[in-house]
Amino acid sequence: LAKTTQPISMDSYEGQEVNITCSHNNIATNDYITWYQQFPSQGPRFIIQGYKTKVTNEVASLFIPADRKSSTLSLPRVSLSDTAVYYCLVGDSGNTPLVFGKGTRLSVIA
Amino acid sequence: DVKVTQSSRYLVKRTGEKVFLECVQDMDHENMFWYRQDPGLGLRLIYFSYDVKMKEKGDIPEGYSVSREKKERFSLILESASTNQTSMYLCASSWEGGYTFGSGTRLTVV
Repeated sequence: LAKTTQPISMDSYEGQEVNITCSHNNIATNDYITWYQQFPSQGPRFIIQGYKTKVTNEVASLFIPADRKSSTLSLPRVSLSDTAVYYCLVGDSGNTPLVFGKGTRLSVIA
Repeated sequence: DVKVTQSSRYLVKRTGEKVFLECVQDMDHENMFWYRQDPGLGLRLIYFSYDVKMKEKGDIPEGYSVSREKKERFSLILESASTNQTSMYLCASSWEGGYTFGSGTRLTVV
C-alpha cells in the first residue's frame, strides 16, 4: 500500500481557504486518493475521492497533479466547525484495507 | 446514506470478561472492518472480512477474534478482556467510493 505523508497540524482563521497537501510517491496505477475528516469521539467521515485532475463537491475540492504523487485537499472559507483531523489515504477503492496515518490536525481560530 | 451502527457507544468491562462488540451495516456491503484508535497511534486494523464467514487478520489481531455469520453483521470479540484493550473501536464497511464508519465504541477495561 502506498504510504502517505501529510503535515501533522495546521492552523487557520475562520473564513480562510485551507489547503492540506499529501504526498504519496508510491501510488499504484489503480489507487484512488480519498480524504476523511474525523471529529473527536466520532468515526472518520468520507469527504472526497479522486483519481486524477480535480474533483469538487459541496464540501471540498481535491487537486491531483498529472504524476499523482501528491494531492491537495482544499477547504473553502473554513469555519470553527471544520476543526478536525483530516486523513489522506491511498488505495484501490475499498477492496484492500486502508492504512490510516496520523492525519493533519486542523485548528480553525475565530 | 449508508449507515453503520455500533451497538454500544460506551462500555465498561472487567478484566477477563468476554466482550462482544457488534456492528451492523444496512447497504449490503461485502467488506467490513474493525479498527481501534488510540491517542498517538492513530487507527490500527484489527480484522476485516470480505464475505460471510470469511475473515482476515489485520495488523493487530492478537487478543481478538471476529464473527461474520450474516452479511450485514460483523462482530468483534475480546476473548478475555485486558486493560491494554481499553480503546475506541471503530467498525466500517466499504463501497467503491470509500469507507463508512460507525460512531465508535469507547471500551474501558477495568
